[in-house]
Order: sequence, then C-alpha cells, then structure tokens
Amino acid sequence: SQKIEQNSEALNIQEGKTATLTCNYTNYSPAYLQWYRQDPGRGPVFLLLIRENEKEKRKERLKVTFDTTLKQSLFHITASQPADSATYLCALPYSTLTFGKGTMLLVSP
Amino acid sequence: NAGVTQTPKFQVLKTGQSMTLQCAQDMNHEYMSWYRQDPGMGLRLIHYSVGAGITDQGEVPNGYNVSRSTTEDFPLRLLSAAPSQTSVYFCASSSPGLAGMSETQYFGPGTRLLVL
Repeated sequence: SQKIEQNSEALNIQEGKTATLTCNYTNYSPAYLQWYRQDPGRGPVFLLLIRENEKEKRKERLKVTFDTTLKQSLFHITASQPADSATYLCALPYSTLTFGKGTMLLVSP
Repeated sequence: NAGVTQTPKFQVLKTGQSMTLQCAQDMNHEYMSWYRQDPGMGLRLIHYSVGAGITDQGEVPNGYNVSRSTTEDFPLRLLSAAPSQTSVYFCASSSPGLAGMSETQYFGPGTRLLVL
C-alpha cells in the first residue's frame, strides 16, 4: 500500500538557521507533491507544489526539492524565525490527495 | 471571499445523537472533501465530491453520510454519533488540476467534535 513518512519527532532549531524537513514515500510515482503548514487549532494552509519534472521550487525563504529516484522531498526554510513554528505536512495525489502525519518545527529565539 | 467556512466550531454530542457539520465555499470550486484529524493519525479522508450530485468514499467513511446538492455546500452527517468519532473535522475545496486530480486544497477552520 502507499505510504508517506514524515519525521514524527519535532525539529528544534535556533532562529536564523535553516530548517530541513523530510517527506518520504513508497510504492508510487506521484505527478506532484505538495507542502502545507498547519498552526495549532487551524486548518492546513497550502505552501508549495512541485511537479515530478521539477527538481527544485522556491518561494521567498522556502525551498522544496523533489527526488523521484529516492522517492523523497525535502522542505527547507532559510533564515528561520519563531513565526515559522508550526506543523508541516506533505501531500501526494494517490487515488485522492493523501497527507503525511506532519512534522512539528519549533524555532527558538 | 470568505473561502471555506465551517459551522459549528465546537460541538458536544451524546452517544447516539445525530448532527450535521456544515461546510460552504465561495470560490466556485468543483471539488470538496471532508477530513478528520486525530493525534498520531494525521489527516484522513472521509468523503469527497468532484461536483454537485457526485460523492464518493474516502479512507474512513463508516458512520458518515454526505450529499452535494450545490457547488457551494457539502454537509457531513453523523447519523448516530460514537465516541470514536471524537475528532477535529476539516472541510476542504479545490479545483481539478492535472488528470483531474485536485491540486491546491483550501481548508476551513475546522469543527471540534466531542462525543460522550
């Protein structure tokens, strides 16, 4: 069966550093992959979509890579800020859009 | 645009009671979905719709009914609430993208349901 894996342990980093989150998947070759941000008590918010023929996508301080050979996407936040603290979800289009369980990022001042 | 709206924000039910969670969107999106989110389980798809009059089951449909009579509204009905349905429920909408698969999902603020 299809499986999406995100690190269940929270990632703690210091302000100003680069945060890197990982999304691994199995048994599938998705046409694209998405990243969402979710703050406590709120619904997820779309951040970025990267297609299978794109190696890298950038949006302001965010960068996403997509390695279809490794079946992995990396999500980077450069110059991280405490306001970046949230849970980040990756999502892939299996029969329907399927979400990973998310990784919590904590950025300390 | 209000985006995706959900009511109520919070609800307490007793086992066996029924209720309807409301969801509406004003972005003229064809696709709408209902998810539940539980600790350690992530977002799981309950039911979805690709257009008015068309609905289908997701990963965890048991105990829930949906209908889609208009593009804007997609209510979720719990026929006989059970404690296992205690969760946070999110409605989402999107437009079809590549090969008809929905791309960017816009989520509502969620409904927190407690079943005693």
